[in-house]
Order: sequence, then C-alpha cells, then structure tokens
Amino acid sequence: GQNIDQPTEMTATEGAIVQINCTYQTSGFNGLFWYQQHAGEAPTFLSYNVLDGLEEKGRFSSFLSRSKGYSYLLLKELQMKDSASYLCAVRPGGYNKLIFGAGTRLAVHP
Amino acid sequence: DGGITQSPKYLFRKEGQNVTLSCEQNLNHDAMYWYRQDPGQGLRLIYYSQIVNDFQKGDIAEGYSVSREKKESFPLTVTSAQKNPTAFYLCASSIAGTGMSYGYTFGSGTRLTVV
Repeated sequence: GQNIDQPTEMTATEGAIVQINCTYQTSGFNGLFWYQQHAGEAPTFLSYNVLDGLEEKGRFSSFLSRSKGYSYLLLKELQMKDSASYLCAVRPGGYNKLIFGAGTRLAVHP
Repeated sequence: DGGITQSPKYLFRKEGQNVTLSCEQNLNHDAMYWYRQDPGQGLRLIYYSQIVNDFQKGDIAEGYSVSREKKESFPLTVTSAQKNPTAFYLCASSIAGTGMSYGYTFGSGTRLTVV
C-alpha cells in the first residue's frame, strides 16, 4: 500500500526554526512535494525534491533521502503568518497523480 | 491572469439529491484532478483526467461521477449514493506527464454540507 506519515501538530515561537518531518512508503517514487494550506483555503506549492539533498528557497528549505523514504521541511525565522497546515505529497510514478499525507498543523506564537 | 476557478464556494445539499461542483481552468493544462479533504485527513483522490474525454477513478470514486468534455472543464457530481458527502472538495490541474516540478495548481475549494 501507499503510506505517508507526518506529525499531526507542532508549535513553535516567532523567530525560531522548525523542522517538519515526512516519511513515506509508496509503490514507486518520482518526486516529493510540500504544500502550505491555511485554514479553509487551497494548498499552495512550496517545494519539490526528486534527488537526494537540500533545496533552499528563502526561509523555506526541503530535504530528501530516497533510500530512507524521508523528507523534511525547514522553516526559518518563523512569522505568525506561517501558522498553517503543511502537506507532504509523493508522486509514485507514471502520471502526475499525487498521494498526500494528512498534514502537519503548525501554530506559531509570539 | 491564468488560474483555476471552483464554484460555488459553499454548497448545501439535501439528502437524496445530486449536486454538481464546477471546476474551470484557463492554464491550458491537460490534467485535472478532484480531491476530497476531511478534518484530520489528507487529500484523497476521487477522479483524475489526463486528457479530454478520458478519466480514471481515484481511491474513493464510489458515489461520484465526472465528465471531461472540454479541456478547460472538469465538473464533479456528488450523487445520492455517496453516503458521507460533507467535506471540502478541491480541484487541481497540472501539465500531463511526469516532468512536473512545480506541483498542482489548486482551486479555492467548495465546502459541501448535507442538511
């Protein structure tokens, strides 16, 4: 079967750094995506990894280890507006069909 | 500006009724998708379409139907056979093939409630 695991909830302080982990077991692998979703809104694309290593984009970075079936999203210099759910999604292969984890709800407080 | 539009934003359905959720995109994307999101759960795939006049069932297709008569449009009908239709429904689109590196473009969602 296909399985993607993320922590359900995390809390962090404004200005700090937080790491959200994602582990996956899928029938194949052709890319991993991170999305941000504010309550009641559509998910927005944050990052994409297909090769091992770190991808950095401003305050956000994402890491992938294909051999371990593991990824993390790193958020630096946290701001209140970063309070949202963060969804990990894997493209097992073939079509662009994505499988999503349940999401991690991040609460940032002062 | 290109984008993907879902309507309505909120929809109320009586038990036993069929309802249709609209999804239109002007991004010239070949592929379109419908996902359902329930509290505490990830997005689950209902149906997807890689090309006009063709679509495939996702993981939870029972009680739903779709059509893809035009590239721009991928409406979802929630039938009376769907036993628990109250959820947040998201439509998405992307280029076809496996070279996508920027992810889906999502619509703003339709919240369906059975009354």
